[in-house]
Amino acid sequence: NAGVTQTPKFQVLKTGQSMTLQCAQDMNHNSMYWYRQDPGMGLRLIYYSASEGTTDKGEVPNGYNVSRLNKREFSLRLESAAPSQTSVYFCASSDRRFAVTEAFFGQGTRLTVV
Amino acid sequence: GEDVEQSLFLSVREGDSSVINCTYTDSSSTYLYWYKQEPGAGLQLLTYIFSNMDMKQDQRLTVLLNKKDKHLSLRIADTQTGDSAIYFCAILGGGGADGLTFGKGTHLIIQP
Repeated sequence: NAGVTQTPKFQVLKTGQSMTLQCAQDMNHNSMYWYRQDPGMGLRLIYYSASEGTTDKGEVPNGYNVSRLNKREFSLRLESAAPSQTSVYFCASSDRRFAVTEAFFGQGTRLTVV
Repeated sequence: GEDVEQSLFLSVREGDSSVINCTYTDSSSTYLYWYKQEPGAGLQLLTYIFSNMDMKQDQRLTVLLNKKDKHLSLRIADTQTGDSAIYFCAILGGGGADGLTFGKGTHLIIQP
């Protein structure tokens, strides 16, 4: 069972470079999320997608864009990376049709911007 | 918006009980969760409690919810070295917003 798969696992970027973090889930979930995790800050929601074709800003959306390509895939794009975007990024998915909204997480992408 | 607070560190002796606390601000929260993160890994759901419950027990885990005080706790009985991890409290708000609001995480340190 793959669950939520993120690629890449590690990435180093130079300031100003762009890149896309990929996320795919095979659980037929409607909702998908991108979080960033910083030391002492917990997880903060960047963007989420409640269903295919919709996206909404979370707590810290500045400097990011997202695309809900289809029900399975939700990508996060950094157009011009900044050192402040050095973080661990987690993708998650959940199915809010059910009473308990368990969010399943990917293994994370460790991004360093130099 | 929702604010979720946790202590950053908790140190316990192996075999003792660990109690990790969490406070939150949104009184309309519907589901409250505890996630575990081991080093270098993603988050794994440990347990959850619905807002109309006071207590939930699952093997070594006991979750207590005090809605009046907006206080959630996770008790781990007979703490083992494998319990060493960061534990996140997470809240699903009742305001219709999607996504969970996480606390900053409590790093559980086990002393031999």
